[in-house]
Amino acid sequence: EIVLTQSPGTLSLSPGERATLTCRASQFVSSVYIAWYQQKRGQAPRLLIQGASTRAPGIPDRFSGSGSGTDFTLTISRLEPEDFAVYYCLRYGSSPLYTFGQGTKLEIK
Amino acid sequence: QITLKESGPTLVKPTQTLTLTCTFSGFSLSSNGVGVGWIRQPPGKALEWLALIYWDEDDRYSPSLKGRLTITKGSSENQVVLTMTNMDPVDTGTYYCAHKDESGNFDFWGQGSLVTVSS
Repeated sequence: EIVLTQSPGTLSLSPGERATLTCRASQFVSSVYIAWYQQKRGQAPRLLIQGASTRAPGIPDRFSGSGSGTDFTLTISRLEPEDFAVYYCLRYGSSPLYTFGQGTKLEIK
Repeated sequence: QITLKESGPTLVKPTQTLTLTCTFSGFSLSSNGVGVGWIRQPPGKALEWLALIYWDEDDRYSPSLKGRLTITKGSSENQVVLTMTNMDPVDTGTYYCAHKDESGNFDFWGQGSLVTVSS
């Protein structure tokens, strides 16, 4: 069973700074099947990145995804106040069909 | 525009069976490649995938919960139903349904339904 480990658990940054969030898989994962989600308090998750690097419709270009194999990264180039939230990576595959990471909380420093 | 909404009880007792309904619009569950999934989130904790039903009524379950879950199409063509048996307080959380696109992504989510398990 594939496990996704996100780091750091909490990231404290200021608006305007660059954020780098990591998702590491315990086994090889095709980049086609990696997605990133943003979840604000009290809201449902929102799809940000699909296929490891493709922004979902309507997602600002300050969000970017990269990676391959077992290591994937979500980068927010210049943090806006509305970007402070919890971020999850998700892998789609088999056994189990879907696996979420444990999340990274991005908080205002 | 795709929308989904969860409905069901807010409080269930331990050992009872939970039945949640996802009512959706803006897509057909008969369309090739489409699916509807259920995901839950205990208070303050991470997301956990539970189950998925495909357009052809094939289904998949989380291995850790497989024996307790059943996902089916509802009586209306725009509904999906999730049942979870033998509820326990650790099952307390927000339950979301979501649209799966042809690539496997959950691209649209419902607002979530908070379920508390308590006697």
